[in-house]
Amino acid sequence: GDSVTQMEGPVTLSEEAFLTINCTYTATGYPSLFWYVQYPGEGLQLLLKATKADDKGSNKGFEATYRKETTSFHLEKGSVQVSDSAVYFCALRDMDSNYQLIWGAGTKLIIKP
Amino acid sequence: NAGVTQTPKFRILKIGQSMTLQCTQDMNHNYMYWYRQDPGMGLKLIYYSVGAGITDKGEVPNGYNVSRSTTEDFPLRLELAAPSQTSVYFCASSYSPESLYFGPGTRLTVL
Repeated sequence: GDSVTQMEGPVTLSEEAFLTINCTYTATGYPSLFWYVQYPGEGLQLLLKATKADDKGSNKGFEATYRKETTSFHLEKGSVQVSDSAVYFCALRDMDSNYQLIWGAGTKLIIKP
Repeated sequence: NAGVTQTPKFRILKIGQSMTLQCTQDMNHNYMYWYRQDPGMGLKLIYYSVGAGITDKGEVPNGYNVSRSTTEDFPLRLELAAPSQTSVYFCASSYSPESLYFGPGTRLTVL
């Protein structure tokens, strides 16, 4: 079945460093892809999404490009801040089921000042 | 707007006890969901609803029940709690199947 694999955390970076969090997926069709973020003590919230190949989602300085050839949707940010410390979840929407998101395990990001 | 609220935040149950996790949203969303998150794992869908009076099973529904009598509320019932139900439970709502709004979660321990 469909699945999402994320790089294991925690990922620890210094402020202003470049961030990449890897996400790869397995799907039979052409899924939509998402990044959600969970700040400490809060619920998850949608960060960005892409619905077709070569689309780039972006928000709050974060970007991710839908790469069908490598089945990837890596999250990047050029200069991270302490406030970016959170858990980041990659997900895909199964086109066979309109209501089910398939989730990665989450990657914890820690930014040190 | 409060968004999605969940109660309680934490709970410890003994094996065999029952409880209801409450979820309320004030955004008039038709879609509502219950997920569980086990350590180091992604979220697993327990139940979902596409509107008042309509519910359906997700990936891991065994041991749980839901009801949706109003648009705002989507309680999750645990009957005969088991240690395997120790998890963090998230309620979410949305106006489309893609952009979910999550509550802060309920951390449940079954001993």
